[in-house]
Amino acid sequence: EAGVTQSPTHLIKTRGQQATLRCSPISGHTSVYWYQQALGLGLQFLLWYDEGEERNRGNFPPRFSGRQFPNYSSELNVNALELEDSALYLCASSPRTANTEAFFGQGTRLTVV
Amino acid sequence: RKEVEQDPGPFNVPEGATVAFNCTYSNSASQSFFWYRQDCRKEPKLLMSVYSSGNEDGRFTAQLNRASQYISLLIRDSKLSDSATYLCVAYLGYKLSFGAGTTVTVRA
Repeated sequence: EAGVTQSPTHLIKTRGQQATLRCSPISGHTSVYWYQQALGLGLQFLLWYDEGEERNRGNFPPRFSGRQFPNYSSELNVNALELEDSALYLCASSPRTANTEAFFGQGTRLTVV
Repeated sequence: RKEVEQDPGPFNVPEGATVAFNCTYSNSASQSFFWYRQDCRKEPKLLMSVYSSGNEDGRFTAQLNRASQYISLLIRDSKLSDSATYLCVAYLGYKLSFGAGTTVTVRA
């Protein structure tokens, strides 16, 4: 069974540009979580999608947005990139009953220069 | 107060030793808990789920104390490969909240 896949694995952007990160959940999982992990820091919750709807978002500015498609894959968009957006962006998926384990993709390493 | 707090460590232990560390959570309504391990610059991997009072998987034992709102992880007979950052996670009903992690280094 395929795990959570994220693309691209690495992304380099310049300040002010937009970045789009993609995530495909495990088959049968309807929930997708996005987290940001800056170097040396813990995971910061960004967004939670379930059944195509945004269920919750973390304490991030509106330039961080996303969506979930009918096939439950998800996209994270970051507009007006800033240097401090450089981080590992992790996507995790879990089954509909979110009170269960979440499984992570390998992440997208975003570097803003 | 942070939703999930962990002792950052590092815990530096010799091979074969037992190491234990705690995680506290602030929301008494938290429904379930998980331990993940994260190796340097890699994605977190699920180590153990804790739904009731505790769980045991080989050398790893997790215990949940709802009255005091903490979860513990104990590693017996430590191996070099156990060196990692261990993340405590609480499901709050509206998100999975991660602790900042406890770093464990097992030395030969």
